[in-house]
Amino acid sequence: GAVVSQHPSWVICKSGTSVKIECRSLDFQATTMFWYRQFPKQSLMLMATSNEGSKATYEQGVEKDKFLINHASLTLSTLTVTSAHPEDSSFYICSGGREFYEQYFGPGTRLTVT
Amino acid sequence: DAKTTQPNSMESNEEEPVHLPCNHSTISGTDYIHWYRQLPSQGPEYVIHGLTSNVNNRMASLAIAEDRKSSTLILHRATLRDAAVYYCILRGAGTASKLTFGTGTRLQVTL
Repeated sequence: GAVVSQHPSWVICKSGTSVKIECRSLDFQATTMFWYRQFPKQSLMLMATSNEGSKATYEQGVEKDKFLINHASLTLSTLTVTSAHPEDSSFYICSGGREFYEQYFGPGTRLTVT
Repeated sequence: DAKTTQPNSMESNEEEPVHLPCNHSTISGTDYIHWYRQLPSQGPEYVIHGLTSNVNNRMASLAIAEDRKSSTLILHRATLRDAAVYYCILRGAGTASKLTFGTGTRLQVTL
């Protein structure tokens, strides 16, 4: 199957700083990618849809000024958590699809804000 | 988005078949039924999908009710590596269609 990578796999940052997470499709091009957040023992929550060359579409309740998404190329989408706080600590996962029926998920990035 | 209902957890013995049910009574005619699974500390993995007919692939089988209001994911011989959370999701066609995850079914497989 196709491969999606994320970098970094884990990050620890101090409260008030910003963190950028990269999501790359390694062997396919994705005009659309998705960003999810997952708290311990909970399901994935869709945060936003990242569209190549245009603005991201955010789900209700997700602050677009706090979670900045950039999809500058067909193989790279980035999520920047700005002014991170401890409540932003979570597992962030991206996905992209080559075929309409199959989404390929990255391995996730674990963010800890101290 | 049409919602799905799954049992919170199920158990199976290794080497035995597992039937994971999913109810989706408000499914629309254009919704595909997708199944993904998530192993601990990993991103989800595609398992199978279908629209109206039953489907088989190397991982599993998907049985879809005639009225499409329910479906069953079948793992023919469960192994310890199949222990995961299984999500049944309804999704429209197109790569831009969203995947909205419910609570899923946590499958435990024992020796």
